[in-house]
Amino acid sequence: KAGVTQTPRYLIKTRGQQVTLSCSPISGHRSVSWYQQTPGQGLQFLFEYFSETQRNKGNFPGRFSGRQFSNSRSEMNVSTLELGDSALYLCASSPGQGPAGYTFGSGTRLTVV
Amino acid sequence: AQSVTQLDSQVPVFEEAPVELRCNYSSSVSVYLFWYVQYPNQGLQLLLKYLSGSTLVKGINGFEAEFNKSQTSFHLRKPSVHISDTAEYFCAVIPLRYTNAGKSTFGDGTTLTVKP
Repeated sequence: KAGVTQTPRYLIKTRGQQVTLSCSPISGHRSVSWYQQTPGQGLQFLFEYFSETQRNKGNFPGRFSGRQFSNSRSEMNVSTLELGDSALYLCASSPGQGPAGYTFGSGTRLTVV
Repeated sequence: AQSVTQLDSQVPVFEEAPVELRCNYSSSVSVYLFWYVQYPNQGLQLLLKYLSGSTLVKGINGFEAEFNKSQTSFHLRKPSVHISDTAEYFCAVIPLRYTNAGKSTFGDGTTLTVKP
């Protein structure tokens, strides 16, 4: 069974630009969560989508947004990039019902210059 | 709100020695508990989870963890480590009232370094 696929693996963007990251969850999983991982802040929850609806949201500014499609694939968008947005962005999928735990993708390493 | 404290940021240990990675949590409600492992340049992989029942939970790669409700701890142990266990380990919790994995709270991680 294929794992969680995140694309692209690496990105370099300039301050002020916007970026879109993509995540394909495990087949059959309806929940997709996004996390930001940085050395200073650790793993911080961004948001979770379930059946195309945002079900949970972390404490990030409105520049961070996401969506989920009918096939459960999810995208995350960051507008007006700042240097502090440089991080590893991890997508995690789960069945969506019951505390099964996450299956994580390998992440997208975003560098803002 | 929940919080997770991993008491050691780095744990060096020799190959074939036992290891314990400590995790304490704080929560006003009951929680589910998880341990994840992250190898370099990869995402996190679920090692084990405690939902209910026996307080000793066995996971993959020979790891086990013990839930202690009175001490609000969930320490991870392995009786004999290998070089390949070198990685970062994360403890995480989610409240029981969430029927999904979303909005987990993670600790800051413990880097386990196994030396030959």
